[in-house]
Amino acid sequence: SQQGEEDPQALSIQEGENATMNCSYKTSINNLQWYRQNSGRGLVHLILIRSNEREKHSGRLRVTLDTSKKSSSLLITASRAADTASYFCATSTGANSKLTFGKGITLSVRP
Amino acid sequence: DTAVSQTPKYLVTQMGNDKSIKCEQNLGHDTMYWYKQDSKKFLKIMFSYNNKELIINETVPNRFSPKSPDKAHLNLHINSLELGDSAVYFCASSQVRQHQETQYFGPGTRLLVL
Repeated sequence: SQQGEEDPQALSIQEGENATMNCSYKTSINNLQWYRQNSGRGLVHLILIRSNEREKHSGRLRVTLDTSKKSSSLLITASRAADTASYFCATSTGANSKLTFGKGITLSVRP
Repeated sequence: DTAVSQTPKYLVTQMGNDKSIKCEQNLGHDTMYWYKQDSKKFLKIMFSYNNKELIINETVPNRFSPKSPDKAHLNLHINSLELGDSAVYFCASSQVRQHQETQYFGPGTRLLVL
């Protein structure tokens, strides 16, 4: 069964607004990662948060991790039209650090 | 220079044919992966190789056979192609040994089976 589940499935916001995306998972993890995929392209790594971390920042991105609730959130502040893409959370589990991806969230940022 | 490259970018073929997709990474990583992304964008791991050794082998039909001639290359051969094999196939690499678990993805190979 799928490990990561994101919500909402789709999000449409105005440029300049913040976008919050959530991810829930089912089993213990090594770390949780967020990736972005532009239409017709490969995935690009955004940020990784380890199971012993609670919050991490990278530029306009803020990720939180709550292992007790088995959930994570990705906040993109001051969104831009160029942030329009699909966003995936992925959980790393096991000795081989296998990544299991969620179904993704489609973010549209209107100029 | 492209870090993870795949060829071909597009592949259109008839049912029953055999085809191969090639992947190369110039990042010096020790681990490479194949993923399948379906029409609903669901991305699923198929195989992973660490230093040419198969370490992840998900429930994939045995018509799919990966081959890693060296650490920098991981190819995917598909026999007797079926309509359901139509998808985008992504190669990725990472440096697991040094706990650099970020995966770097190739641009994808769009496979259409007619």
